[in-house]
Amino acid sequence: SAVISQKPSRDICQRGTSLTIQCQVDSQVTMMFWYRQQPGQSLTLIATANQGSEATYESGFVIDKFPISRPNLTFSTLTVSNMSPEDSSIYLCSVTGLTGANVLTFGAGSRLTVL
Amino acid sequence: AQSVAQPEDQVNVAEGNPLTVKCTYSVSGNPYLFWYVQYPNRGLQFLLKYITGDNLVKGSYGFEAEFNKSQTSFHLKKPSALVSDSALYFCAVSPGYTGTASKLTFGTGTRLQVTL
Repeated sequence: SAVISQKPSRDICQRGTSLTIQCQVDSQVTMMFWYRQQPGQSLTLIATANQGSEATYESGFVIDKFPISRPNLTFSTLTVSNMSPEDSSIYLCSVTGLTGANVLTFGAGSRLTVL
Repeated sequence: AQSVAQPEDQVNVAEGNPLTVKCTYSVSGNPYLFWYVQYPNRGLQFLLKYITGDNLVKGSYGFEAEFNKSQTSFHLKKPSALVSDSALYFCAVSPGYTGTASKLTFGTGTRLQVTL
């Protein structure tokens, strides 16, 4: 089955810095999404990464804070900008279409700790 | 607005006993319903889904779930639990038409602990 690779798997960051998370899929996919999973909480959709155009952000998330790139059908990046401790979360890349319509396949996640 | 409720933060069961993880939902129209599992330090894995048809859905690792429209429930079950089933389980719902992955709402998760 197709594989989704995320880098970094974890990182410890200083307040005020930015970090870019990469998501690589080993086959072309139409839909790519970025989720956030805060400690002890459920998953929240940040945005849909659109190939060749600006991402579609959910309510409460803005491009200045979470810029997203998607240059092709297999790769996307999420940047967490000007980080604060409240940004400490697991960030998950996911795609549809690999195991059936409407089924999300997730990367292993990137665990960020902001000091 | 659609929503998912998982009323139990944690479910404890002895190995070999049946297990149930509860989920109720609210969505306009017919739902698509999903269960995902998250093992420690790993991403979420798809377990099973209900789209249409038979109300009893069978999925990976011996899990099954029953769609109950009148009770708006989609409880996850397994006849005989294994210690290796210990993980965090998420129920999710989306509106029942194609292309709604971006409209998926997850529950808060239920931690399943299976002991010897």
